[in-house]
Amino acid sequence: EVQLVESGGGLVQPGGSLRLSCAASGFTFSTYVMGWVRQTPGKGLEWVSRITASGDTTYYADSVKGRFTISRDNSENTLYLQMNSLRAEDTALYYCAKKAVANTKYFDCWGQGTLVTVSS
Amino acid sequence: QSALTQPASVSGSPGQSITISCTGTSSDVGDYNYVSWYQQHPGKAPKLMIYDVTNRPSGVSNRFSGSKSGNTASLTISGLQAEDEADYHCMSYRSGSTPYVFGTGTKVNVL
Repeated sequence: EVQLVESGGGLVQPGGSLRLSCAASGFTFSTYVMGWVRQTPGKGLEWVSRITASGDTTYYADSVKGRFTISRDNSENTLYLQMNSLRAEDTALYYCAKKAVANTKYFDCWGQGTLVTVSS
Repeated sequence: QSALTQPASVSGSPGQSITISCTGTSSDVGDYNYVSWYQQHPGKAPKLMIYDVTNRPSGVSNRFSGSKSGNTASLTISGLQAEDEADYHCMSYRSGSTPYVFGTGTKVNVL
């Protein structure tokens, strides 16, 4: 069974940093594109970032470009999101998501999410 | 980047059919057949219901169907059931610096 388990969320002050992790199991992690999607409480979803299977190419939403860094450790089956210079508008539930097979444009599995709250 | 536009809520009685629209632009929905739909129950993770506009993943009921016309994609739920009460989100691939955009989300109410 495919499982994605996020961790690392919490309360952080504006300007602070957090590192999210996503532990993957039940599939060959190193062969799939992975991404992060966030959801503001009571609102819609927002795509944040994605990384190729090998980790050599990354993409970011304009709203986080230059502040967030996505990475992965294929030996540990773990996806990361380093978040710096956090702002109040980054407050959200952050989901780790798995892309379907190569060249597809949708997520076929999501984690349960980890909550990030940016507040003084 | 602007989100795709969905109605805030759609309601229907058990057994009825409802349709949720997802309106984008010629840079996303209108230009690519890469629209997907996700169901989300309260406190749960999103679940893939439709991909590439019309395709259903294995295990998803055939009561769910997708379509597209111009810049608007649609999700139709036929034979509405109580368990279909949830939020539904569309997503499209798009040209530009941000490759994916989500819809504003629709709450489906089963009366």
